[in-house]
Amino acid sequence: AQSVAQPEDQVNVAEGNPLTVKCTYSVSGNPYLFWYVQYPNRGLQFLLKYITGDNLVKGSYGFEAEFNKSQTSFHLKKPSALVSDSALYFCAVRDTGTYKYIFGTGTRLKVLA
Amino acid sequence: EAGVAQSPRYKIIEKRQSVAFWCNPISGHATLYWYQQILGQGPKLLIQFQNNGVVDDSQLPKDRFSAERLKGVDSTLKIQPAKLEDSAVYLCASSSGTSGMRDTQYFGPGTRLTVL
Repeated sequence: AQSVAQPEDQVNVAEGNPLTVKCTYSVSGNPYLFWYVQYPNRGLQFLLKYITGDNLVKGSYGFEAEFNKSQTSFHLKKPSALVSDSALYFCAVRDTGTYKYIFGTGTRLKVLA
Repeated sequence: EAGVAQSPRYKIIEKRQSVAFWCNPISGHATLYWYQQILGQGPKLLIQFQNNGVVDDSQLPKDRFSAERLKGVDSTLKIQPAKLEDSAVYLCASSSGTSGMRDTQYFGPGTRLTVL
């Protein structure tokens, strides 16, 4: 069965420092991977996705993600964190059999001023 | 382009009462999803529609939950009767339904349900 894992419940980073939010996946076949962000009392907002092609995917708000097939990872990154980036981040994979989106448990990012 | 609309944003009911949520997807989106997000967890798919047909409802507790999308646009999700464990945020999402695995879902703001 397809799955994603977000090993960190919370990540703290100082404003201006680079940030990384980790995601690993398990799929049969080609992976279709997504990152979403959720601000308090809001729905999930799409950040970026990997379908095929370049391993470095650029998305909204200066975020990017690096696809690493050998490590089965799709980590979310940003070169310089902002306090306003503080939110809950979800990694998701599409199940190649059912087309369902399978979400990770989420990582809370806290950017400290 | 308008996003996915949901109402109400918040609802408080007592157990055994019924409740209904409404969703209006992005214009032209054929696929509509309802998710349940319990505090501290990722969203869990309840039901997926393609136009007005059900594609997947394997995780919908059918003894108490029902959903419809009669004209292939708006959708309603109903819970009757509600239980304490139904307290969650109910998210609606839509996608174009034309790009297969490449489809991106776009989410509404959600309805926060509290069952007392």
